Amino acid sequence: GQQVMQIPQYQHVQEGEDFTTYCNSSTTLSNIQWYKQRPGGHPVFLIQLVKSGEVKKQKRLTFQFGEAKKNSSLHITATQTTDVGTYFCAGDAGGTSYGKLTFGQGTILTVHP
Amino acid sequence: NAGVTQTPKFQVLKTGQSMTLQCAQDMNHEYMSWYRQDPGMGLRLIHYSVGAGITDQGEVPNGYNVSRSTTEDFPLRLLSAAPSQTSVYFCASSYSSSPDGQPQHFGDGTRLSIL
Repeated sequence: GQQVMQIPQYQHVQEGEDFTTYCNSSTTLSNIQWYKQRPGGHPVFLIQLVKSGEVKKQKRLTFQFGEAKKNSSLHITATQTTDVGTYFCAGDAGGTSYGKLTFGQGTILTVHP
Repeated sequence: NAGVTQTPKFQVLKTGQSMTLQCAQDMNHEYMSWYRQDPGMGLRLIHYSVGAGITDQGEVPNGYNVSRSTTEDFPLRLLSAAPSQTSVYFCASSYSSSPDGQPQHFGDGTRLSIL
């Protein structure tokens, strides 16, 4: 079945440093979504990418979808303590499986002030 | 507008017991799903439903049953609890499934321990 690998598993940064997490799917995706989960909380939707090569920005966050629609990345510029949490990518293979998301393992981000 | 409501928030069961995790949404969402979250494994899809009366299996369905008699409710049943089912369970909903994707709205989760 479809697999979505996410790296790194952990990332510790000093406040102000940049952060990137990468997501790779074993199959071509219809779309990919990104979620953030604060410690003890539930996943919260950040963004979805649909088009090949798409780049979207939300303030300090930049999301990319690969040309082959099999990989994606999330980059945070100048991290802040409020960025702490686990970031998940979730791939949708589409076809008869629209809406069936396969989540990556997540990247746990720690930001030291 | 409460969003997605899960009950209970915490539960401890003994091996072999059965229970139902409740999930309700008030956003008139067609699509609902159940995930379990275990350390280092992300969220894994257990069962999902694209509308009332329609359910299907996800990645890890064994040991769990679901039904969808109304648009609002999507309960998850553990038939005979096993320690391997100790996990955090999240219910999620979205307007529908489509090629462009639909944001999933998650409940607060149920933390379940099986002794």
